[in-house]
Amino acid sequence: DAGITQSPRYKITETGRQVTLMCHQTWSHSYMFWYRQDLGHGLRLIYYSAAADITDKGEVPDGYVVSRSKTENFPLTLESATRSQTSVYFCASSERDTQYFGPGTRLTVL
Amino acid sequence: AQSVTQLGSHVSVSEGALVLLRCNYSSSVPPYLFWYVQYPNQGLQLLLKYTSAATLVKGINGFEAEFKKSETSFHLTKPSAHMSDAAEYFCDNSSASKIIFGSGTRLSIRP
Repeated sequence: DAGITQSPRYKITETGRQVTLMCHQTWSHSYMFWYRQDLGHGLRLIYYSAAADITDKGEVPDGYVVSRSKTENFPLTLESATRSQTSVYFCASSERDTQYFGPGTRLTVL
Repeated sequence: AQSVTQLGSHVSVSEGALVLLRCNYSSSVPPYLFWYVQYPNQGLQLLLKYTSAATLVKGINGFEAEFKKSETSFHLTKPSAHMSDAAEYFCDNSSASKIIFGSGTRLSIRP
């Protein structure tokens, strides 16, 4: 199906484990984004990418790693998960100005 | 510095009443302003956007917003609320180099 998908939709992990959240878009949009959504903070930008092999930090990048070897994929890795990274993570893509969001991944770190 | 402020984390209106969700921005360059809606357990969807073509912007589901430079505002309105409008609404002030979302306003509709 066309659009932007995220997997998994729900994930429970333990402190210290590595976790990778996947994001895939079928539009060939140049820009892709990762946000986290927490109560009282709205959406905060973690990382973004302007094109394949080009990534840059957002507002809250610490503890996260991204890569973009292909235009359509933009995985987000938590190298050593912490409880403070419990959140809902949204991936988005855009070509010009409008962003298109995935359905989100709810991550719980125990 | 670029920023966006949404006044009121929760707004409650009666069905059929006017909806007004407030958004103020600051930007050193002409802003690109957006309103997104988020229904429970879903991602955000674009409601409408301002990109300097017209100050009154009409969006989906009967919503509209007016860009007022003198007031640095981009408030979202709908003349008559419907139960299906219950959701969280986000104002976004984006430029090529920076993306800033407001903290969101939860809209509740009373029967």
